[in-house]
Amino acid sequence: NAGVTQTPKFQVLKTGQSMTLQCAQDMNHNSMYWYRQDPGMGLRLIYYSASEGTTDKGEVPNGYNVSRLNKREFSLRLESAAPSQTSVYFCASSEGGGQGIMTQYFGPGTRLLVL
Amino acid sequence: QKEVEQDPGPLSVPEGAIVSLNCTYSNSAFQYFMWYRQYSRKGPELLMYTYSSGNKEDGRFTAQVDKSSKYISLFIRDSQPSDSATYLCAMSSLDTDKLIFGTGTRLQVFP
Repeated sequence: NAGVTQTPKFQVLKTGQSMTLQCAQDMNHNSMYWYRQDPGMGLRLIYYSASEGTTDKGEVPNGYNVSRLNKREFSLRLESAAPSQTSVYFCASSEGGGQGIMTQYFGPGTRLLVL
Repeated sequence: QKEVEQDPGPLSVPEGAIVSLNCTYSNSAFQYFMWYRQYSRKGPELLMYTYSSGNKEDGRFTAQVDKSSKYISLFIRDSQPSDSATYLCAMSSLDTDKLIFGTGTRLQVFP
């Protein structure tokens, strides 16, 4: 099993450009998450999907959109990139269901630089 | 005030030392407490978790939760250079799959 995979690994954008970060998991998990990680800020939740077809905003959703394409895939889109969106983006998944501890499994991350 | 506070470090210790990493929190609804380890340029991976109060031991690692003080700790015994990483605490309440993370403490164990 590959676990959680993310593409691309690294991307440079100019202000105003758009891009989509891709995430896929092969663990048959129900819940998927997008985080950003910035120095001194820790991991902050951008969007969350409890199941296929549902998405919810997290702590920092402004400037982002998401799509839960199917149970395996959860994409994050930046419509008009801004320098403040320079960060490391992590996708994660868990079994979900809100029943007991649900370990979140993380992908390797996408490093995004917006100039 | 953040819901979860964690000293960012860095914490530098010699090999073999006992390391204590800590987080405080403000939300009394938190019931699940986790420690994630993140190596440089990698994604976080779950190290240990506990439910409610008490201790949990796994090899050289011990997690403690003191709900009365809203304080959690991770102890690493006989620390090794391979333990050099950032350690993030994370917490959640019973009714959600979402985790609230601390900012992480960077640990360096030198030979």
